[in-house]
Amino acid sequence: LQLQESGPGLVKPSETLSLTCVVSGGSLGNTNYYWGWIRQPPGKGLEWIGNMFYTGGTNYNPSLRSRLTMSLDTSKNQFSLKLTSVTAADTGVYYCARHAGPVAGSIDLWGQGTLVSVSS
Amino acid sequence: DIQMTQSPPSLSASVGDRVTITCQASQDIRKYVNWYQQKPGQAPKLLVYDTSNLETGVPSRFSGSRSGTDFTFTISSLQPEDFATYYCQQSDDLPFTFGPGTKVESK
Repeated sequence: LQLQESGPGLVKPSETLSLTCVVSGGSLGNTNYYWGWIRQPPGKGLEWIGNMFYTGGTNYNPSLRSRLTMSLDTSKNQFSLKLTSVTAADTGVYYCARHAGPVAGSIDLWGQGTLVSVSS
Repeated sequence: DIQMTQSPPSLSASVGDRVTITCQASQDIRKYVNWYQQKPGQAPKLLVYDTSNLETGVPSRFSGSRSGTDFTFTISSLQPEDFATYYCQQSDDLPFTFGPGTKVESK
């Protein structure tokens, strides 16, 4: 099973960052997993963005909740992230990831990551 | 949010050394700590989940333990491929949070 992120590498300040993650070799509908996003500013640590279940239930980081929307499309086996009103602080590598375990908290599969820069 | 205090921020070690990294949680998180390895330009990789369970395929030189809200990650005999940055992560409560990382460098 593999995850692959895609989306624009450059977004202007105040605009919306949109990313998609395609799941290949497995199904988004697997009830054992949640699907989510983590980001990493250049040279810094990891920040959990949120995750969701195939039924549509979501968990968002409160620090981003007002700007964040996650969705999934089981027919295309992909899930997406939209982050509105971006600033330079949203610059970083965005990873899509699979969450596993009884509390869906261990992140056992990661995409390769995609760098998003916020700049005019 | 639960804070994960990770130490040291960096360490220098030689091949064959025993390496220990600690994370202290700001509140009780039961057993729900995971450890990741990240090499430059790569995504993190899960090594240990729920304090002490080794992810499939991970060498047995990696291990984890817990004492209350203090969590320890150990590499029993450092190998050349182990030079990397290691992160702890709590998965007991939302939002999931990570420690700031420990960079393991060659002495």
